[in-house]
Amino acid sequence: DIQMTQSPSSLSASVGDRVTITCRASQSISSYLNWYQQKPGKAPKLLIYAASSLQSGVPSRFSGSGSGTDFTLTISSLQPEDFATYYCQQSYSTPIFTFGPGTKVDIK
Amino acid sequence: QVQLQESGPGLVKPSETLSLTCTVSGGSISSYYWSWIRQPPGKGLEWIGYIYYSGSTNYNPSLKSRVTISVDTSKNQFSLKLSSVTAADTAVYYCARLVVAATGAWFDPWGQGTLVTVSS
Repeated sequence: DIQMTQSPSSLSASVGDRVTITCRASQSISSYLNWYQQKPGKAPKLLIYAASSLQSGVPSRFSGSGSGTDFTLTISSLQPEDFATYYCQQSYSTPIFTFGPGTKVDIK
Repeated sequence: QVQLQESGPGLVKPSETLSLTCTVSGGSISSYYWSWIRQPPGKGLEWIGYIYYSGSTNYNPSLKSRVTISVDTSKNQFSLKLSSVTAADTAVYYCARLVVAATGAWFDPWGQGTLVTVSS
């Protein structure tokens, strides 16, 4: 089974900060990595697919990079509406899918 | 655009079967994959399984013995049944469209989710 880890598990940041979240796979998953944002009480929302492709309608301050086992989600300038929990998800082992444990971004 | 809405009982007794339905609106259920994902309170996301509109399925190995996902194309709905539930199955259950492409597979969009509590 492919295991996903994320670091940090939580972080505190200020509006305008550059934020980077890391997702690591237990084996190479090429670029089969997606990122979601979840706000409290809401469903997750797709931000990035295939490691670096921005989903339609998602602000350009979000970007994704990486391949193999190490991936990053970057928010170039944190906005008030970006405080949320972020999850990565791998699809390399399709038809089995796994999510990372999440990274909570809150206000410093 | 496509919207999904979960429905079903919010309370299920231990050892009984959890049953939920997801209604797809704004588009046809045909030609796509559809999935169930759950999230225990305060915890992360767990993929449960998916179904193709034709009826073929795949399930999370950890739940496979208890899960059945079915589709009703005439109603634009797909459903989840989870048998022999325990308190550990208490979670928010989401339905989502599974987009499958050459570059991978991802869940988009999602329903709003429904909380199912397992308790006597």
